[in-house]
Amino acid sequence: GNSVTQMEGPVTLSEEAFLTINCTYTATGYPSLFWYVQYPGEGLQLLLKATKADDKGSNKGFEATYRKETTSFHLEKGSVQVSDSAVYFCALQTPLGSGSARQLTFGSGTQLTVLP
Amino acid sequence: NAGVTQTPKFRVLKTGQSMTLLCAQDMNHEYMYWYRQDPGMGLRLIHYSVGEGTTAKGEVPDGYNVSRLKKQNFLLGLESAAPSQTSVYFCASSRSTGAVLGNQPQHFGDGTRLSIL
Repeated sequence: GNSVTQMEGPVTLSEEAFLTINCTYTATGYPSLFWYVQYPGEGLQLLLKATKADDKGSNKGFEATYRKETTSFHLEKGSVQVSDSAVYFCALQTPLGSGSARQLTFGSGTQLTVLP
Repeated sequence: NAGVTQTPKFRVLKTGQSMTLLCAQDMNHEYMYWYRQDPGMGLRLIHYSVGEGTTAKGEVPDGYNVSRLKKQNFLLGLESAAPSQTSVYFCASSRSTGAVLGNQPQHFGDGTRLSIL
């Protein structure tokens, strides 16, 4: 079956530090890959996505590259800010049954805290 | 810009009580989903719908029922609540997918925190 393994947290960094959150996946076929972010008391927001191998998703200074050979989609940011403190979820999207609906399979989430 | 709205935001129930969680979206999305979020487990799909009048089971459907009578609304029901259903419930919606549109991202509500005593 499909699964996503995410770097366990919590992760605590100082402001302007480099961030990497590891994500690897197991899936049949060619899933789309996503990073979602959840701020306290809120729902999940799409951060970035990649739909095929070697695609790089980027948004708000965050980047992740779809690596089919290593089945990975690691999240990186060169200089984190206090406002980046949140829970980050890696997810893959695959077909639901034989129709066109899609299912998201999530990793367990990584809590990031950035200190000033 | 409401997006996906969930009501209520919080609820405490006693074992055996019933309740309905409401999800409404104003983006004219075809697909809607209900997930539950438990500590250390990410989100798991309960039920989903690909259009008005249609619903289907996800990964963890037992103990829940759903209905999609209107395109913009997706209801999640607990007929007889159990402590194991204590969780945070998220609704999501997305455009339909296909060869032209590709994989469309899901848009989430802010969640309903449900405690079953």
